[in-house]
Amino acid sequence: GAVVSQHPSWVICKSGTSVKIECRSLDFQATTMFWYRQFPKQSLMLMATSNEGSKATYEQGVEKDKFLINHASLTLSTLTVTSAHPEDSSFYICSASWGPGELFFGEGSRLTVL
Amino acid sequence: GEDVEQSLFLSVREGDSSVINCTYTDSSSTYLYWYKQEPGAGLQLLTYIFSNMDMKQDQRLTVLLNKKDKHLSLRIADTQTGDSAIYFCAESKDFNKFYFGSGTKLNVKP
Repeated sequence: GAVVSQHPSWVICKSGTSVKIECRSLDFQATTMFWYRQFPKQSLMLMATSNEGSKATYEQGVEKDKFLINHASLTLSTLTVTSAHPEDSSFYICSASWGPGELFFGEGSRLTVL
Repeated sequence: GEDVEQSLFLSVREGDSSVINCTYTDSSSTYLYWYKQEPGAGLQLLTYIFSNMDMKQDQRLTVLLNKKDKHLSLRIADTQTGDSAIYFCAESKDFNKFYFGSGTKLNVKP
């Protein structure tokens, strides 16, 4: 099956710093990728849709200046958490569409902000 | 987003069948999915069903869809301890945006 990889899988940072998470589709081109956030023992919340070569589309309630998304190529989307604070600590998961109705997820990136 | 609801916990004995239920509100959903998440890991696609189907079987997994009641279920036959995980149902209507349920934690007792 299609492979989506995230990096880093685990990151700890100080409050006020910015953290970048990469999402790559390894064996296919993805014009659209998605970013989700998962709080402990909760479901995945769609944050934004990342479109190659254009601006990301954010879900209601997600701060676009806080969570910067860049989809510079057909195989790479990045999520930058700017000026991170402890409440941003979470599990961030990306996904990419392989075909109609088929979505493959990355392994997730756990962010801990001290 | 659309509402997708699941019960939070299910506990079964090894060898029994597990049935995980899910309800959704969007009648225009095109695809309905079941994903598995093991501790600390990402999501693994288990199976999906088109909205014009009633049932799909894949080895130990059986998906039943009642479109009238907007009810989806996942049956795992001969449940094993390795099946212990959180199971998420999800729906989409445009092949891309997915909306997930809260997840059902399946505990399989030896």
